[in-house]
Amino acid sequence: AQSVTQPDIHITVSEGASLELRCNYSYGATPYLFWYVQSPGQGLQLLLKYFSGDTLVQGIKGFEAEFKRSQSSFNLRKPSVHWSDAAEYFCAVGARTGNQFYFGTGTSLTVIP
Amino acid sequence: NAGVTQTPKFRVLKTGQSMTLLCAQDMNHEYMYWYRQDPGMGLRLIHYSVGEGTTAKGEVPDGYNVSRLKKQNFLLGLESAAPSQTSVYFCASSYEDHYSNQPQHFGDGTRLSIL
Repeated sequence: AQSVTQPDIHITVSEGASLELRCNYSYGATPYLFWYVQSPGQGLQLLLKYFSGDTLVQGIKGFEAEFKRSQSSFNLRKPSVHWSDAAEYFCAVGARTGNQFYFGTGTSLTVIP
Repeated sequence: NAGVTQTPKFRVLKTGQSMTLLCAQDMNHEYMYWYRQDPGMGLRLIHYSVGEGTTAKGEVPDGYNVSRLKKQNFLLGLESAAPSQTSVYFCASSYEDHYSNQPQHFGDGTRLSIL
């Protein structure tokens, strides 16, 4: 069965520091992978997604993610975090059939000045 | 454009009461989805629709019903609310399915408490 694991429930970083949020997945075939961000009281916004091709994917707001098949990972990175990046981040995995689309439990990011 | 609008934003119900959550989108999207978000659980798909007049079950459909009588609206119903349905509900829509180049657009959520 498909599953998504985000090992870090909460991360705190200083503004200007680099960021890496971890995502591991379990899926029997080539997955489709997504990262979403959720600001407090808001819905989710798509940051980036991986379908195929180049394993390094660029997204909005300066984020990028790298698909590593050997490690079953799709970690999200940003070189320099801004205070406005404080939010909840969700990794998701899916397949091109029906309703097979699963979210991780999320990582809450706090940015300190 | 309003995007995806959810009504109401907050609601408190007693066990056994019924209610309907409304999702409206003005982007002419074919696909619409209802999710619930619970602490430590991420988002889980309840039901979805691939077009007007169609609905399908997601990961956690029990206790919910949906209807898509008009393309722009997707209704989520609770016939007999239970405390386990206390959650934040999100509606989303997209032109195509999850795997197209068109992203899902989410509403701001409905916070529902069942006493």
